[in-house]
Amino acid sequence: SQTIHQWPATLVQPVGSPLSLECTVEGTSNPNLYWYRQAAGRGLQLLFYSVGIGQISSEVPQNLSASRPQDRQFILSSKKLLLSDSGFYLCAWSVFIAEKLFFGSGTQLSVL
Amino acid sequence: GQNIDQPTEMTATEGAIVQINCTYQTSGFNGLFWYQQHAGEAPTFLSYNVLDGLEEKGRFSSFLSRSKGYSYLLLKELQMKDSASYLCAVRDNAGNNRKLIWGLGTSLAVNP
Repeated sequence: SQTIHQWPATLVQPVGSPLSLECTVEGTSNPNLYWYRQAAGRGLQLLFYSVGIGQISSEVPQNLSASRPQDRQFILSSKKLLLSDSGFYLCAWSVFIAEKLFFGSGTQLSVL
Repeated sequence: GQNIDQPTEMTATEGAIVQINCTYQTSGFNGLFWYQQHAGEAPTFLSYNVLDGLEEKGRFSSFLSRSKGYSYLLLKELQMKDSASYLCAVRDNAGNNRKLIWGLGTSLAVNP
C-alpha cells in the first residue's frame, strides 16, 4: 500500500533563517507531488507541484522553492523565512494530476 | 472567474443530520471532491462526484448538480468525532490546465 511521510511535524524558526521540509512517498512510482500551505482561517493554497523528477511548477511567487531530486522525494526550501511564511504545510500525492489527493501529516511552521 | 463558496461554520447535535453546501463557478468543471480535516491534521478524502446525483458511502453522502453549480455533503447519525472542517474542491480543466480549486472549508461542531 502507498504511504506518504512528511517531517518534521512542528517547526519554530526565526525570521531570516533557512527552511527545508521533506516529503517521501512509498509504494507507488512516478506520483504527482504537491506542496500546499494552509494559513489560519484560510483555505489550501497550492505552492508547487511536480509531475516528474526535476519538473517543478510554481503557483505563487514567493521566497519558497521546491525540488524533486528523486521520483518519490519532494523538498520545500527557503533561504530566508518571513513572518508571513508561518502556516500548516502539507505535502500530497496523486496518481494523476488534480485527482484524489493523499496528504502527509503536515508540518506546523511558526516563524518568529 | 473561479469561485467556491461554503458556509464558514455550522453547528449540529449528536445523532442528527447535517447538510453542508458548496456552490462553485468554474469554466471547465470536471469533478468535485469532499475532504474532512480534523484540527491540526491533514485532510482525508471523503467523496468524489463527477455526474449529477447522489453518492452514498455509509453515514456520508454527497450530491452534485452540475447545471446549478451546487453540491452538498450529507452527514447522518452525527457523532462527536464528526466535528471537523469539511473542504469542497472542484477540478477545473479550463485551458487544458487541470487543477483543483479549494473552498475555505466549513467548520462543523457537533454538540452532545
